[in-house]
Amino acid sequence: AAGVIQSPRHLIKEKRETATLKCYPIPRHDTVYWYQQGPGQDPQFLISFYEKMQSDKGSIPDRFSAQQFSDYHSELNMSSLELGDSALYFCASSFGIIGGGTEAFFGQGTRLTVV
Amino acid sequence: AQSVTQLGSHVSVSEGALVLLRCNYSSSVPPYLFWYVQYPNQGLQLLLKYTTGATLVKGINGFEAEFKKSETSFHLTKPSAHMSDAAEYFCAVSDAGGADGLTFGKGTHLIIQP
Repeated sequence: AAGVIQSPRHLIKEKRETATLKCYPIPRHDTVYWYQQGPGQDPQFLISFYEKMQSDKGSIPDRFSAQQFSDYHSELNMSSLELGDSALYFCASSFGIIGGGTEAFFGQGTRLTVV
Repeated sequence: AQSVTQLGSHVSVSEGALVLLRCNYSSSVPPYLFWYVQYPNQGLQLLLKYTTGATLVKGINGFEAEFKKSETSFHLTKPSAHMSDAAEYFCAVSDAGGADGLTFGKGTHLIIQP
């Protein structure tokens, strides 16, 4: 079965550079969530989209932006990267929002290292 | 606002022994509760979830969890641990709104002793 695809799997950037992370949800899933997981930390919610519209925003820095496109894939754009942005970034998708008990399926994550 | 507390950042059990990972939640509305497992450098895999109905929920790999509203708990158990169960386990909660996704606990690292 198709799963959530994230690319790239690994990314190394220098401070002050920009990075773009991509997420391809499971076919027919209309909701995408982005999470950031620092070393040894629990995943923290960044932002979510439902039907190509932003539905909620969490602890996402102003330097980050995201969008969901017409084919439902999503991109997380990160600018002016800082060392503290080094983390594992997860994308999750669901059919409908999780609040209905709908299951969220997670991608493998993109490991971003800022040097 | 909702939150999740997982007691014990590390839990060590012997192979074949009972696994018990504790999770308590707070939520102002009836919660939806989840347990996820994460193997090193991997994504999060759903073990089980509670939405409504039966309070004892069975999941994959022999795990189960019981929702106890009076105790605001959703502890994860497995009767007999296998070496392959060694991983990080996250308890998570979402509310009926759900637009902000899941709120995770800090995670419990399960160590299996041979």
